[in-house]
Amino acid sequence: GENVEQHPSTLSVQEGDSAVIKCTYSDSASNYFPWYKQELGKGPQLIIDIRSNVGEKKDQRIAVTLNKTAKHFSLHITETQPEDSAVYFCAASRSYGNKLVFGAGTILRVKS
Amino acid sequence: GAGVSQSPSNKVTEKGKDVELRCDPISGHTALYWYRQSLGQGLEFLIYFQGNSAPDKSGLPSDRFSAERTGGSVSTLTIQRTQQEDSAVYLCASSASKETQYFGPGTRLLVL
Repeated sequence: GENVEQHPSTLSVQEGDSAVIKCTYSDSASNYFPWYKQELGKGPQLIIDIRSNVGEKKDQRIAVTLNKTAKHFSLHITETQPEDSAVYFCAASRSYGNKLVFGAGTILRVKS
Repeated sequence: GAGVSQSPSNKVTEKGKDVELRCDPISGHTALYWYRQSLGQGLEFLIYFQGNSAPDKSGLPSDRFSAERTGGSVSTLTIQRTQQEDSAVYLCASSASKETQYFGPGTRLLVL
C-alpha cells in the first residue's frame, strides 16, 4: 500500500522567512496530494491541494510543487507569520475523494 | 454553513468498556470517512462510506471496531472492549462525491 514520508518533523523559522516541507510517496498510482493545517485542539483544515496533471499550484503565500518522476511533493510558505504556526500534514490518494494516506506531520513554529 | 460536527468532544472510559463516537457530516455530503490520530502521529484511515455502496473497512485495526452510517447521514464508530492503545483522537471527515474532505474537530478518547 501507499506510504508517505514527511520531513522535517519540526521547523522553526523567523517571521518573514520562507518555510519548506517535503513529502515523498511510494505508490506511483497516487494522483491527488492535499496539504492540511492543524491547530491545537482542532481538526485538520485543507490549505492547498494538487493533482498529478499539474506540476505547481499557488495560492497567495502558499505553493505546492509536485515531481511525479521522483514521487516528491513540497509545500512552500513565503513571508511566514506567527499565525502560520501549526502542524502541517501532507497526504496522498489514488483519486480525488478516495481515502487519504497521511505523512507524520511537521510542527512549524514562526518566531516573531 | 455548518461544518462536520463530532460528539462527544472528549471521552474518558475504563479499559474493557464499549464506547460510541458520533459524526454529523456536512449536509448533502455523500462520502464520510473515519481516521484515527495517535499522539504526535499522522492520521490513520479507518473506514469510508460512499453513498449506498458497501463501506471500505480496510483500515479498521481489529474486529472490536465497527461503524455504521444510518440514512446516509450520521455515522457512529463503536469500539468494543476498549484497550489503552485505543486512546487517540478520532476524526471524521465528509465530502461531496469526489471532492475535498472536510474534517470535524475530533473526539479525544482516553482509555484508563
